[in-house]
Amino acid sequence: SQKIEQNSEALNIQEGKTATLTCNYTNYSPAYLQWYRQDPGRGPVFLLLIRENEKEKRKERLKVTFDTTLKQSLFHITASQPADSATYLCALDGSSASKIIFGSGTRLSIRP
Amino acid sequence: DAGITQSPRHKVTETGTPVTLRCHQTENHRYMYWYRQDPGHGLRLIHYSYGVKDTDKGEVSDGYSVSRSKTEDFLLTLESATSSQTSVYFCAISESVQTQNQPQHFGDGTRLSIL
Repeated sequence: SQKIEQNSEALNIQEGKTATLTCNYTNYSPAYLQWYRQDPGRGPVFLLLIRENEKEKRKERLKVTFDTTLKQSLFHITASQPADSATYLCALDGSSASKIIFGSGTRLSIRP
Repeated sequence: DAGITQSPRHKVTETGTPVTLRCHQTENHRYMYWYRQDPGHGLRLIHYSYGVKDTDKGEVSDGYSVSRSKTEDFLLTLESATSSQTSVYFCAISESVQTQNQPQHFGDGTRLSIL
């Protein structure tokens, strides 16, 4: 069955550094992959989508890469700030066009 | 923010009682979803709807039913709540026929405790 792994439950880094989060998947070749941010007590908020034919996507301080050979996506936050502290979820399209599958998330903490 | 309202936001109830959670959207989106989120499991799809009166099962549908009588409302019912259904429940919506290229927009969740 399709499986997504976000291989760090938690990541702590110093303000100003680049945070890199990893999402690996198996038993599937997704057409696209999405990243979401979730703050405590809130629902996930969509950040970026990258398609299988795109190697990299950027939005302000965010960058996502998608390596279909390694079956991996990397999510980078450059010049990180304490306000970037949140849980980040990756998601990929599931077995039908209507459904996506979520990873369990990485909790990112940026210390001043 | 997408117009999604979940009610109630918090509920505590006893095992064996019926529970209904409501999701209301003002975006006129076709697709609506119910997820549960538990530590270590992430978001898991319970049921989804692709139109009025059109629903289908997700990954963890046992013990749950849904109804969608209007575009804007999607109800999740636990017919006889069990302690294993204690969780945070999220409703989500997406816009078009195919969700490729279309993100999901989430409500802020319902925290449900079954004692």
